[in-house]
Amino acid sequence: AQTVTQSQPEMSVQEAETVTLSCTYDTSENNYYLFWYKQPPSRQMILVIRQEAYKQQNATENRFSVNFQKAAKSFSLKISDSQLGDTAMYFCAFRPSNTGKLIFGQGTTLQVKP
Amino acid sequence: KAGVTQTPRYLIKTRGQQVTLSCSPISGHRSVSWYQQTPGQGLQFLFEYFSETQRNKGNFPGRFSGRQFSNSRSEMNVSTLELGDSALYLCASSLVAGEVAGELFFGEGSRLTVL
Repeated sequence: AQTVTQSQPEMSVQEAETVTLSCTYDTSENNYYLFWYKQPPSRQMILVIRQEAYKQQNATENRFSVNFQKAAKSFSLKISDSQLGDTAMYFCAFRPSNTGKLIFGQGTTLQVKP
Repeated sequence: KAGVTQTPRYLIKTRGQQVTLSCSPISGHRSVSWYQQTPGQGLQFLFEYFSETQRNKGNFPGRFSGRQFSNSRSEMNVSTLELGDSALYLCASSLVAGEVAGELFFGEGSRLTVL
C-alpha cells in the first residue's frame, strides 16, 4: 500500500527563521510525483511546491525548497525567512504517475510566531 | 479567472438522510476529484472524474457516489448518512486527469455535519 507519513503534528518557528517539515512515503513505483500543499485557516488548499520523482534536482519556489531523497523515500520541505502568513497546516502528498489520486499525509500544523 | 466553487459551504443533516454536494471546476478543467477531510482520518480520496467517466475510486462504501456532467461540473451524493460522515468535503479540478502537469486546484470545501 502507498502511504505518506508526516511525523511532526505541530511545529513552531520564529518569524524570519528557517523551518523544515518532514515527510516520508512508501511506494513500489518508480514514476510518481510529490507535493506539498498548504491549508491556511480559511481552508482552501494551495499548492506550495512539487517534485517529479525522475528529476534529481530538488525543486525550489522562492522561499520554499525541498530535499528529495528518492532512495530513502524522503521529501522534506524547507521554509526560509518564515513569515506570519506561512502559518497553516502543511500536507505532503504522493501521486502515482497514472492517476489523479493524491495520497496525503496527516499534516503538520505550522505556527509562525512574531 | 474564477476558482473551484463548491456549494453549499455548510450544511447540517440528520442520520439517515442523504446529501448532494456540488462542485464547479475552473473553466476549461475537465478533471474533478473529491476528498473527505476529517480530524481522525485526515484527507482521503473519494473519486475522480474525467469527461463524465469515473476514473478512480477510493475505499469508501457504496453510499458515496458521484457523477460529472458534460460541462465538467460534478456532484457527489452520500445516502443514509451516518455520524461518521461529518467532514469537510473538498473538490479539486485539473486540466487533464492523471497528469502531473494537471495541478490540482482545490475549492474551499463543503462542511457537512451529521446529527
